Amino acid sequence: QKEVEQDPGPLSVPEGAIVSLNCTYSNSAFQYFMWYRQYSRKGPELLMYTYSSGNKEDGRFTAQVDKSSKYISLFIRDSQPSDSATYLCAMIFSGDNDMRFGAGTRLTVKP
Amino acid sequence: GAGVSQSPRYKVAKRGQDVALRCDPISGHVSLFWYQQALGQGPEFLTYFQNEAQLDKSGLPSDRFFAERPEGSVSTLKIQRTQQEDSAVYLCASSPLGNGGQETQYFGPGTRLLVL
Repeated sequence: QKEVEQDPGPLSVPEGAIVSLNCTYSNSAFQYFMWYRQYSRKGPELLMYTYSSGNKEDGRFTAQVDKSSKYISLFIRDSQPSDSATYLCAMIFSGDNDMRFGAGTRLTVKP
Repeated sequence: GAGVSQSPRYKVAKRGQDVALRCDPISGHVSLFWYQQALGQGPEFLTYFQNEAQLDKSGLPSDRFFAERPEGSVSTLKIQRTQQEDSAVYLCASSPLGNGGQETQYFGPGTRLLVL
């Protein structure tokens, strides 16, 4: 079992839809949780990070962490074709250097 | 301000050849990370520098992989005697913070290595 599990998709939604992306993890010691967006042939771009449990909102993006269930989510409201990319979840222990990534979910938003 | 840059963007090597991949982090960033990303997978940690000190190299897959950051800015990842399984995208990331703050990493575009 991988430490971080993420459904690779692909996920296809119409423009304006609400998108839900999810990851589960096995190690309860993870403390920081990140979401990255990666366009084709580009490096990952940090979208959001959260510490411990709770919600964080930034514009059309909301990140949720449920440590009791070892489950994190990223919601995208009013999705746009420009949101089409691969979304990677990542997590890390406090003070550690080894960020663990999910495999990434490939999202396509159709106009 | 410029982001993290990497060169070359693409590299084709014959099996057994040595390669060197360069990373220019964001100016002033203390921490520098190297990752390997196989096709269809998330990045996997290779090594970490804080300034010029290589504090963690636990992710390097073999002794054919070597990284350095001699002056605490530019870093080079060297792969000796490349093998086909080394084919991947090699990503560099930097962070403005030292210990802690590893959650705020900024990635370069990567070097796509293909070993024939």
